[in-house]
Amino acid sequence: QQQVKQSPQSLIVQKGGIPIINCAYENTAFDYFPWYQQFPGKGPALLIAIRPDVSEKKEGRFTISFNKSAKQFSLHIMDSQPGDSATYFCAAHTGAGSYQLTFGKGTKLSVIP
Amino acid sequence: DSGVTQTPKHLITATGQRVTLRCSPRSGDLSVYWYQQSLDQGLQFLIQYYNGEERAKGNILERFSAQQFPDLHSELNLSSLELGDSALYFCASSVAAGGYEQYFGPGTRLTVT
Repeated sequence: QQQVKQSPQSLIVQKGGIPIINCAYENTAFDYFPWYQQFPGKGPALLIAIRPDVSEKKEGRFTISFNKSAKQFSLHIMDSQPGDSATYFCAAHTGAGSYQLTFGKGTKLSVIP
Repeated sequence: DSGVTQTPKHLITATGQRVTLRCSPRSGDLSVYWYQQSLDQGLQFLIQYYNGEERAKGNILERFSAQQFPDLHSELNLSSLELGDSALYFCASSVAAGGYEQYFGPGTRLTVT
């Protein structure tokens, strides 16, 4: 059972565009939602994260929007650059004794010049 | 560079064999997590250790085991290897046991032939 559903699977945008990656979850016990960026041959790198009591968080060109009632959250990348081309994973953290991250399947983003 | 180190980078072995993957967490981090990344299953949490003690277990097979040593480095042991165990194995670390900000190492690519 996939607990965090991520879409789209792949995304191509022009330089300067705003790619949006969406994630949905069912488990209301999730208490922290990070996004990771992974380049080929590298490990996932923590990009930005949000807690469910906050509706939006910005760090540089990256913004998370969070809709608690809909159990959805999304990543927006402003003024995207070719260097942002990577695979992005959303994740959800289970607290209260389990302490694990459940990952979405990933979105492969290509930013073309 | 996350500060998490993993060795070896690549490992090729035959079915039925046993291998050991090693991870050193970031300086000051007490928690270590192991993940398996494959094309079909994505990133799957295997197991967490905190300050030498097992803290949480995910989808870890009985053929797999892990431990964390007094110097906080961790080893993941994979035995009776099968073709399906071929994957990327990542270690992540965090300061506390809660698992909120996890920093990933570069991974070990295991190929079972």
